[in-house]
Amino acid sequence: QKEVEQDPGPLSVPEGAIVSLNCTYSNSAFQYFMWYRQYSRKGPELLMYTYSSGNKEDGRFTAQVDKSSKYISLFIRDSQPSDSATYLCAMSDFGNEKLTFGTGTRLTIIP
Amino acid sequence: NAGVMQNPRHLVRRRGQEARLRCSPMKGHSHVYWYRQLPEEGLKFMVYLQKENIIDESGMPKERFSAEFPKEGPSILRIQQVVRGDSAAYFCASSPMRTGNEKLFFGSGTQLSVL
Repeated sequence: QKEVEQDPGPLSVPEGAIVSLNCTYSNSAFQYFMWYRQYSRKGPELLMYTYSSGNKEDGRFTAQVDKSSKYISLFIRDSQPSDSATYLCAMSDFGNEKLTFGTGTRLTIIP
Repeated sequence: NAGVMQNPRHLVRRRGQEARLRCSPMKGHSHVYWYRQLPEEGLKFMVYLQKENIIDESGMPKERFSAEFPKEGPSILRIQQVVRGDSAAYFCASSPMRTGNEKLFFGSGTQLSVL
């Protein structure tokens, strides 16, 4: 079993829809949770960074962490074609610099 | 302020040759990380370096792979005697501090193709 599980998709939704992306994990030591966006042939770009359980909002993006269920989510409101990319969840434990990534979900927003 | 610079962007090697991948961190960043991304897989941690020191190399294959981050110049990931299974995208990231996940910036990667 992988430490971090993420549905690879692909996921296609119409423009303006709400997108929900999810990851589950097995390592209860994970304390920091991140979502990265990766465009084709580019490096990952940090979208959201959370530490505690609960919700964190930044513009059209909301990150949700449920440590009791070992489940994290990223919601994208009013999705735009420019949101088309691969979304990677990542996590690490306290004091550990290395990130453990999910496999990524490929998202396409249809105009 | 330029971002994390990786070169070359694409590198083609024949089996048995050596591959050298270079990474210049963002200005003011002294912590460098290397990740490998195989097709249909997420990024896998390889090594974490500070200037002149390897801090964590738990993700590095035991043979043929080495990394350095000298006092002057870029960080180098070196793969000796490449095999087809080494074909992947190699990403470098840098941060200004040790526990800098929130300030971790990635380069655009080097796509290594082994013929």
